[in-house]
Amino acid sequence: DAGVTQSPTHLIKTRGQQVTLRCSPKSGHDTVSWYQQALGQGPQFIFQYYEEEERQRGNFPDRFSGHQFPNYSSELNVNALLLGDSALYLCASSLTTRQVYGMDFGPGTRLTVT
Amino acid sequence: QKEVEQNSGPLSVPEGAIASLNCTYSDRGSQSFFWYRQYSGKSPELIMFIYSNGDKEDGRFTAQLNKASQYVSLLIRDSQPSDSATYLCAPLNTGFQKLVFGTGTRLLVSP
Repeated sequence: DAGVTQSPTHLIKTRGQQVTLRCSPKSGHDTVSWYQQALGQGPQFIFQYYEEEERQRGNFPDRFSGHQFPNYSSELNVNALLLGDSALYLCASSLTTRQVYGMDFGPGTRLTVT
Repeated sequence: QKEVEQNSGPLSVPEGAIASLNCTYSDRGSQSFFWYRQYSGKSPELIMFIYSNGDKEDGRFTAQLNKASQYVSLLIRDSQPSDSATYLCAPLNTGFQKLVFGTGTRLLVSP
C-alpha cells in the first residue's frame, strides 16, 4: 500500500522562473493539502483540494496555484519565483470524512531558488 | 498572538528520562490535535492524535488535552536517542479542515 509520493525530490530554479510540483495521495485518500516549510519553521498551509476544487486557501499570493485531477493526484504551481520561495514543499493526503484522524505527509520536494 | 505556540528548545533530556513537550493554541474551534515528529531533512510523521479532554496513551507516548486551557502536551517515557527530532503540534479546525502547525520543539536525547 503506497503512501503519499511527491516528485521531484529536489529542484533548483532561478528567480522569475515557474515550477510545478506533483503529488500522488495515499491509496483511498481523496483530499490533498499543500504546505510550505521554510528552514526552522513549522509547515504553513498553502491550500487544500477536494473533488478537483480548491476548498481552502492559506495566506499565499496568487502566484501559488494548484490543481487536482480525477485520480486525486495534485499539482502545485508557483510562478515568478522569488528567493523567499525556497523551502520544503509538503503534500499531505487524507480522507475528507476522516480528517479528524490525521493526514499523511509525503517526503516533500526541496525547492531552491537562486 | 500566534495560533500555535511551542517552545522551540532545544529540550535536552538524558536517555531513559521523561520528555515533556507543551503546546498552546488560540483557536477554540480546534477539535482534534496532532503530534508529528520530524527528523532533520525529512517530512513530518504522525505520532498521535487526541480529541477528547484527558490523557491518551500509546506505548511510550502520552498525549494530554485540556480544551478549557487550550493546552495540549506530549510525554515521552523512557526517552531514546532515536527520539531526538523536532516535535510539531498541530490543531485541526474541522470547520476550515486544515492543520495549523507550531514552529516545533527540538528534542535532544543524550546517551
